[in-house]
Amino acid sequence: DAGVTQSPTHLIKTRGQQVTLRCSPKSGHDTVSWYQQALGQGPQFIFQYYEEEERQRGNFPDRFSGHQFPNYSSELNVNALLLGDSALYLCASSLVGQGYTEAFFGQGTRLTVV
Amino acid sequence: GDSVTQMEGPVTLSEEAFLTINCTYTATGYPSLFWYVQYPGEGLQLLLKATKADDKGSNKGFEATYRKETTSFHLEKGSVQVSDSAVYFCALSDRGGYGGATNKLIFGTGTLLAVQP
Repeated sequence: DAGVTQSPTHLIKTRGQQVTLRCSPKSGHDTVSWYQQALGQGPQFIFQYYEEEERQRGNFPDRFSGHQFPNYSSELNVNALLLGDSALYLCASSLVGQGYTEAFFGQGTRLTVV
Repeated sequence: GDSVTQMEGPVTLSEEAFLTINCTYTATGYPSLFWYVQYPGEGLQLLLKATKADDKGSNKGFEATYRKETTSFHLEKGSVQVSDSAVYFCALSDRGGYGGATNKLIFGTGTLLAVQP
């Protein structure tokens, strides 16, 4: 079982550019959530995708958008990058159903905006 | 809204010392509570969880009890090792999302634990 995989692991972008981060969920999982973790802080929820639709969204501007594909993988897109978008972006996968299931996290993508 | 408050670090201990990291929460409903651990350069790993009041989560010698009356979920370990050095996050999961099963996590700011030999 490959677990949650994210790509790329590191990325450097210039202010104003756009970036796409990718996530493949753990085998058998159908829900993907994205989190932003600034240096020295806890992860902040960006949004969650299930059945190719955004189901929940945190307090992030519209510059942050996402997509989920039929194979449950997901992308996070950030437009018009700001210096403050520099962070570790974490993807978590889980399974929607009856009862609780654990969220598994990937290793993250370290985005640096210069 | 829901929130998690945990003690600030760093917490520096000698090997075999007793560990407590305090965590309190604010929630309108009946959240599930978690401790996650993050080793340097890695993502988050679930350490333990509790889904209802008075439940005790435990794993790898770590324990935490869901105390609804004090809205707390303090992490404890009787004897820490150098390999326990990491950042520990307390988190809660609300039940407002689709299906009510697994929902967004709200994290505390993290507590860095440094264990010295």
